[in-house]
Amino acid sequence: GAVVSQHPSWVICKSGTSVKIECRSLDFQATTMFWYRQFPKQSLMLMATSNEGSKATYEQGVEKDKFLINHASLTLSTLTVTSAHPEDSSFYICSARVPGQGAYGYTFGSGTRLTVV
Amino acid sequence: DQQVKQNSPSLSVQEGRISILNCDYTNSMFDYFLWYKKYPAEGPTFLISISSIKDKNEDGRFTVFLNKSAKHLSLHIVPSQPGDSAVYFCAASDTFTGNQFYFGTGTSLTVIP
Repeated sequence: GAVVSQHPSWVICKSGTSVKIECRSLDFQATTMFWYRQFPKQSLMLMATSNEGSKATYEQGVEKDKFLINHASLTLSTLTVTSAHPEDSSFYICSARVPGQGAYGYTFGSGTRLTVV
Repeated sequence: DQQVKQNSPSLSVQEGRISILNCDYTNSMFDYFLWYKKYPAEGPTFLISISSIKDKNEDGRFTVFLNKSAKHLSLHIVPSQPGDSAVYFCAASDTFTGNQFYFGTGTSLTVIP
């Protein structure tokens, strides 16, 4: 089946540094990818929608200058957390719509646990 | 505004018995629903889905029931196994207007051997 590979699976970084998370669609072309974030004891919340070759669309309350999303190719989307702070510590996960599977074809990456110290 | 709710944060079931996880939603436009299982420090693993044209979908030990009038869906696991112990999320989407999934807060299932 369609697979989205997400890396790294976990990362610890110092406050003030930047972290890049990658999501690659391995056997299909993802024109659109979705980035979610989950805080402890809360549900996954959509952060932004990234479209290949264009600017990402951010959800209300998500700082676009802090969470940089790049979708430069049909198989790769990246989320960069810039100047990370401890409050950015969270679980980040990407999702992509799988072509040819109609309105119901989605696949998720395995997620990235970010801890900012 | 939480459009998808899982009101039971945890559930314990004896091995071999049935596990029933519940999920409620508020948006009547939702037409596609998913259940995910998640182990600690791992991403969600897709379990089973159902579209609004059905009221039941079965896959092995897992069955999802959808009650559109009540805006309620449930996941039944029969028989429950210790390896089923995980956090289960339901998610819903209005596939007509967008691609966003709305997730519940999850139910932690513990299957006791």
